[in-house]
Amino acid sequence: AQKITQTQPGMFVQEKEAVTLDCTYDTSDQSYGLFWYKQPSSGEMIFLIYQGSYDEQNATEGRYSLNFQKARKSANLVISASQLGDSAMYFCAMRVNFGNEKLTFGTGTRLTIIP
Amino acid sequence: DTEVTQTPKHLVMGMTNKKSLKCEQHMGHRAMYWYKQKAKKPPELMFVYSYEKLSINESVPSRFSPECPNSSLLNLHLHALQPEDSALYLCASSRMTGTGNTEAFFGQGTRLTVV
Repeated sequence: AQKITQTQPGMFVQEKEAVTLDCTYDTSDQSYGLFWYKQPSSGEMIFLIYQGSYDEQNATEGRYSLNFQKARKSANLVISASQLGDSAMYFCAMRVNFGNEKLTFGTGTRLTIIP
Repeated sequence: DTEVTQTPKHLVMGMTNKKSLKCEQHMGHRAMYWYKQKAKKPPELMFVYSYEKLSINESVPSRFSPECPNSSLLNLHLHALQPEDSALYLCASSRMTGTGNTEAFFGQGTRLTVV
């Protein structure tokens, strides 16, 4: 079974500062994918970034980067130069490969950006 | 067009009512999902359709009945619901690659209240 752990229920960050959201995972599968989603108060889940277990380089998408440490089974999201619009719930999720389409989510971190 | 459209956005129904939630995507994705999300909780997988066939049912009560009429549409039929079924219902879709490294695109959800 797969498990995702997000240990920060809530974070407050000053605008324009960088922020790291923690995510650790547990799986016995060798091939898997890790995802980060943002959920504003409107409810939509917005895909941010993906990291594959065999990817040697950390994924980056604009202001988002994923600090992937495979040996430690961690996949932290780094948001650079935070903006007020970044205030939302952030979920880390995992999918194991070979035809399993189930996405397992962590409990989420509520990020609040302070002006 | 990376959009998943869900209707209605809000729904209030009585415990004896029958209603349906609808989801549509035109990205050519062959995997479609229903998730249930209670307040301040992560999404919980309910059903997965792969190539229009039900591939995962996470032991969901029979008062929830999914249907996939074609590759673009996904319905969730509701009957004799309970107040504890009140939640945000999210639809998602993704490509099928067999390797798991594809993100799921989510709709804005239907906020369901059972009275």
